[in-house]
Amino acid sequence: DAGVIQSPRHEVTEMGQEVTLRCKPISGHNSLFWYRQTMMRGLELLIYFNNNVPIDDSGMPEDRFSAKMPNASFSTLKIQPSEPRDSAVYFCASTPGQNTEAFFGQGTRLTVV
Amino acid sequence: AQRVTQPEKLLSVFKGAPVELKCNYSYSGSPELFWYVQYSRQRLQLLLRHISRESIKGFTADLNKGETSFHLKKPFAQEEDSAMYYCALSRGSTLGRLYFGRGTQLTVWP
Repeated sequence: DAGVIQSPRHEVTEMGQEVTLRCKPISGHNSLFWYRQTMMRGLELLIYFNNNVPIDDSGMPEDRFSAKMPNASFSTLKIQPSEPRDSAVYFCASTPGQNTEAFFGQGTRLTVV
Repeated sequence: AQRVTQPEKLLSVFKGAPVELKCNYSYSGSPELFWYVQYSRQRLQLLLRHISRESIKGFTADLNKGETSFHLKKPFAQEEDSAMYYCALSRGSTLGRLYFGRGTQLTVWP
C-alpha cells in the first residue's frame, strides 16, 4: 500500500484564488483527518470524518474553508478565496478504526502570494 | 482543556551520547500519549505509543502521571536519529484526533 496520498505536494497560488487539496486515505481506513501546520500554531486539527461523515469541524478557521468526503477513498479541502495567511503545510491522516494510530500523508505545502 | 508542551525547540547531541526529548501534558482525564517522528522530507510516522510500552529504534518513553510527562529517551544517539519529534495526546478512542506539541528538532552530530 502506498499509504495516504496527498496531491498536489506543492501549490502556489495568488490571493483570492480557489485552492483544492486532495487526499486518498489508506484503503479500508474509515476515519480521515485534515491537519494544518504553521510556524505560529504548530500542528492543529481542522476537521475529521468517520465513515465519510464530518464529526468535528471545530478547527476549521473560517467559512472560507470547506471539506468534503464524497466516498471512502477521497477527500478534499477547499479554500475559497485564499489569503496569504493560509500559507501552511496541510496534512491528511487516516485510521482503520477506533484505538488505532493515525497514518499521515506527506503533506501539501501551500503558498498564497 | 488539553495541552502538550515540548520545551525544547532544538536539541543537539553527539553520536553515542544519551538523548532525552521532553514532553509535558495537561489533561484532566486519562490520555493516550504518542511520539511521532518526521525525518527529512518524509511523512510523520508513529514512533511510540505509551500503551504499547515497547522500544522502537532504541527509543523508550514512560508515562509519568504524577509529573504529567512522557519524555522520550535513547541511551546512545545515532546520526540517523536526526529528525523532528512531536509529542501528541489523544483524549479518547479516536486516536487520529491528536493534540500536538510544537516539536523538537533533534540533531545528532558525528
